[in-house]
This record gives sequence, C-alpha cells and structure tokens, in this order.
Amino acid sequence: EADIYQTPRYLVIGTGKKITLECSQTMGHDKMYWYQQDPGMELHLIHYSYGVNSTEKGDLSSESTVSRIRTEHFPLTLESARPSHTSQYLCASSDLQGSTYNEQFFGPGTRLTVL
Amino acid sequence: GEDVEQSLFLSVREGDSSVINCTYTDSSSTYLYWYKQEPGAGLQLLTYIFSNMDMKQDQRLTVLLNKKDKHLSLRIADTQTGDSAIYFCAANTGGFKTIFGAGTRLFVKA
Repeated sequence: EADIYQTPRYLVIGTGKKITLECSQTMGHDKMYWYQQDPGMELHLIHYSYGVNSTEKGDLSSESTVSRIRTEHFPLTLESARPSHTSQYLCASSDLQGSTYNEQFFGPGTRLTVL
Repeated sequence: GEDVEQSLFLSVREGDSSVINCTYTDSSSTYLYWYKQEPGAGLQLLTYIFSNMDMKQDQRLTVLLNKKDKHLSLRIADTQTGDSAIYFCAANTGGFKTIFGAGTRLFVKA
C-alpha cells in the first residue's frame, strides 16, 4: 500500500487567507507532483519536483508555490486564497530510479473551498 | 503535446462486462495506465501496459492496446457494485510527465 499522506483532507477558508497544503511520503521517492482536479474534470499538473531543492511549474498556471527541502515533504502554499482556488489538490510521488513503468502513487487529496 | 480523451460516463448492470475506451495522441507514449479513483480518495494504479504489447490480462481486467489507432481499452469482467468509481486513462512517454484523461465514471446497477 502506498504511503503518501495529505493534510488537511478538507479545508474551508475565507478569501485572502494564507494556506499550506501538506504532502508527505515515506517511500523515499525522488519525484513528487501536485495536481489540481476540478469535479468531473481531468487532472492538471501544477507543480513537480525531481528531488530536494528542485521545483518546477507544471502545465497549468497556478498562483501557488511549492518547496522541497526534504525528500519526503512537498508542501503547497497559497499566499492569498481566492474562490477561484476552490478545487481538489492531489499530491503524488514516483520512484525516479527503481520503477520500470513510472507508476505514480497518489495521496487521498485535499478538497479546498475558498469562500 | 499529448492529449488523452475518454468518454465521461458508462452505466452497466452488475455481472455484465464493462468496457472503458481511451484515445491518446502521442505515438511515442511508452507506458499506458489505468487508474481508479473511488469517492473521496486519490488515484490508485489498476494496471498498465507497455507500448510493445497488444494485450494484458490481470484477473478480471483486460487491457487492449491498438497502437496504430492510438486506442486503449479496459475491460472489467463480471462487474460488481464495488467497481463503481472513476477510471482514468493515462499516458507517459518515458519522462517525468504523465498525462491523464478526464476520467470515465462507471455506474454499476444492482
């Protein structure tokens, strides 16, 4: 079973607040990802990381930022939340070295609602 | 860039077979995947197939790949109510990026 965790699972917050969505994995994976998923829609890659101190923007422009100070931890921060940020955020990881088929392991997601 | 498309809904009766279809655009896609997402959960890899394979079977699941038409399908035999979920088709060209489809909602009627 995949060991990738996200907190909080659900968050309702007011406009203008700063929030950090946490993601941790205990598998020692090098690659980590953040996806944004609106209900009934496809996943959009918003950030990814190859390893410690590596962060890149994904395909979908996002006002969020990420950091990768430790291998196991990949938090996502919104400095000033807006209603347009309401969505589900999925964190995933994969093993750069060991996997032969690039399987991504997903966390349970954080459902964010900005009022 | 890669685009992955799949139909949004499928409804079947319990015990019937379900077939979920997917098309992709990048012929250099090396790995093709089917992920399952249950309500309130993340995605979980169901099965995958390499581009040099035509078919892969894993218990009730059969994946068919038509490289010429860039078409992938997932067949679930003897569909159960527990199979109700969203099924995502995804493609990877061997790099870091995996492109996901919008997901097919499978409804299983008892």
